[in-house]
Amino acid sequence: DVKVTQSSRYLVKRTGEKVFLECVQDMDHENMFWYRQDPGLGLRLIYFSYDVKMKEKGDIPEGYSVSREKKERFSLILESASTNQTSMYLCASSLNRPNPEYYEQYFGPGTRLTVT
Amino acid sequence: GIQVEQSPPDLILQEGANSTLRCNFSDSVNNLQWFHQNPWGQLINLFYIPSGTKQNGRLSATTVATERYSLLYISSSQTTDSGVYFCAVGEASGTYKYIFGTGTRLKVLA
Repeated sequence: DVKVTQSSRYLVKRTGEKVFLECVQDMDHENMFWYRQDPGLGLRLIYFSYDVKMKEKGDIPEGYSVSREKKERFSLILESASTNQTSMYLCASSLNRPNPEYYEQYFGPGTRLTVT
Repeated sequence: GIQVEQSPPDLILQEGANSTLRCNFSDSVNNLQWFHQNPWGQLINLFYIPSGTKQNGRLSATTVATERYSLLYISSSQTTDSGVYFCAVGEASGTYKYIFGTGTRLKVLA
């Protein structure tokens, strides 16, 4: 079974702090994704990566950066946390092969971040 | 970009009832997944179904790509089926990014 893990289930940080959220997958997937989920807005893509050291902006990248130094690990960084970044953060991974059916995404358990 | 609409937004059922959830999308897709988000927030893969019909126990799904919709059927519902059901689609242009619908919130009463 594919396993995607996230470093924390719950996190409370203060405004202005630098925050690191980590995601690890154990299935040798090329693609990794960070989403945030807010009530009434569904899941929105922040950043994704299709290879080590490669990244692309999603729909809402402002206020975030990412790092992918190893294939299995994808980190989301909040450079200076703000209260409007209080949200549920979800990491996902998928293969990246020519056949589209390999694009099935698998999600981690999520991190509920509260910024006070 | 592609729009994904799910209906109904909310659904309350008695245990044992059947239900149909719908996902409409505005353009051609080459990926479509159904997920169940449990009360703890975990997204669980139900089906990868860009076209055709699949069944897994009490759940089944059908996607008619030419008419741009997908249906998720839940039969003999149980309280553990409660949660939010999401449809997510990937555009036919070949990107591996998904666009999510806003979900159907299901509550099954004992």
